[in-house]
Amino acid sequence: SQQGEEDPQALSIQEGENATMNCSYKTSINNLQWYRQNSGRGLVHLILIRSNEREKHSGRLRVTLDTSKKSSSLLITASRAADTASYFCATDAAGNTGKLIFGQGTTLQVKP
Amino acid sequence: DAGVTQSPTHLIKTRGQQVTLRCSPKSGHDTVSWYQQALGQGPQFIFQYYEEEERQRGNFPDRFSGHQFPNYSSELNVNALLLGDSALYLCASSYGTTSNTGELFFGEGSRLTVL
Repeated sequence: SQQGEEDPQALSIQEGENATMNCSYKTSINNLQWYRQNSGRGLVHLILIRSNEREKHSGRLRVTLDTSKKSSSLLITASRAADTASYFCATDAAGNTGKLIFGQGTTLQVKP
Repeated sequence: DAGVTQSPTHLIKTRGQQVTLRCSPKSGHDTVSWYQQALGQGPQFIFQYYEEEERQRGNFPDRFSGHQFPNYSSELNVNALLLGDSALYLCASSYGTTSNTGELFFGEGSRLTVL
């Protein structure tokens, strides 16, 4: 079963604009991670935010976490055509060891 | 430094057949997890192997089985294939097992088509 639900399912923007994707989950977590996938290939880890953190930055990425609302957002600033991909949030549920539960993903298209 | 490698990249099988997928973890990693990703969906956890034992299992039938070898590489076996088993099978590696799952390193996947 999928723990996370992502919103929107698809997003289309112009190069240079910011892209925001949201993720909601159901259970208590140890951490939440974001991954990127190009055209049905392997997933690449982007960023991990722990349950006691509220915000984290990595380059053009900004992730927020609100454990009271069980939600997270991923902001990509100054998007580029190369950012076109699917983005997935994944939760490490508290009490579970070693498995991530993925959302259904947001497909981002950045038009040049 | 080699990342996670999977083979084969693509394969086609017919219903009722059996398939074996292979994975070599990233250098220095000893834990292998397998995920199934249906078209348009997020990956779903199948199971995890550590110290040659299955440590965790997702909601998959016994037709799905695996193995981990002393060199940490792993195999995923699926018996009595169904049309619904058509998917991208992803292998992910990490180091150790703790109460917190850190970053996973994924291979490029094996795309299985069942006809």
